[in-house]
Amino acid sequence: EIVLTQSPGTLSLSPGERATLSCRASQSVSSTYLAWYQQKPGQAPRLLIYGASSRATGIPDRFSGSGSGTDFTLTISRLEPEDFAVYYCQQYGRSPLTFGGGTKVEIK
Amino acid sequence: EVQLLESGGGLVQPGGSLRLSCAASGFTFSSYAMSWVRQAPGKGLEWVSNISESSGSKYYADSVKGRFIISRDNSKNTLYLQMNSLRADDTAVYYCAKSMPYFDLWGRGTLVTVSS
Repeated sequence: EIVLTQSPGTLSLSPGERATLSCRASQSVSSTYLAWYQQKPGQAPRLLIYGASSRATGIPDRFSGSGSGTDFTLTISRLEPEDFAVYYCQQYGRSPLTFGGGTKVEIK
Repeated sequence: EVQLLESGGGLVQPGGSLRLSCAASGFTFSSYAMSWVRQAPGKGLEWVSNISESSGSKYYADSVKGRFIISRDNSKNTLYLQMNSLRADDTAVYYCAKSMPYFDLWGRGTLVTVSS
């Protein structure tokens, strides 16, 4: 099983600041089969990024994904008030599909 | 409107059974694999099971293998999860999701509580 470790656990930032979220895999994630999701309280997760760097439909370009192998990053270039949420990475290259533990981005 | 709508959650005693349903609309259901993902209260996301477009392939997390059964009825645009021998640690919100294989469409979820 591929274990995904997200860091930091909590990121305290102000609107307008840049957020950098890390996701590290215990084994190489094949063909960059890595996705990122955003989840707000009481809501279902929403797909942000797939294929490590492709934005999903309707996702603003302030969200970007990068990385390969075992190290991946989600960057939010300038935080908007609606971006404060929990973010999860997920690998879908090998069964079982696995998620990271999440990073909470909170208002400082 | 493209959407998934889960139903069937509720309170069940340990050892009991429950069947969840997920009604799909707004897209060609039979063309996509589908999955169940759960989230225990205050915890992260856990993939539970997925099923191929024609039901030919089914996969399960070790935590539910032998207890849960995934199925689908393409004529009714509906995904199912039969949950047997339920345990307290199965308590969670259960989401169905369209699999690309990343999850590009999620339902709102249905809460399953296993407690005596």
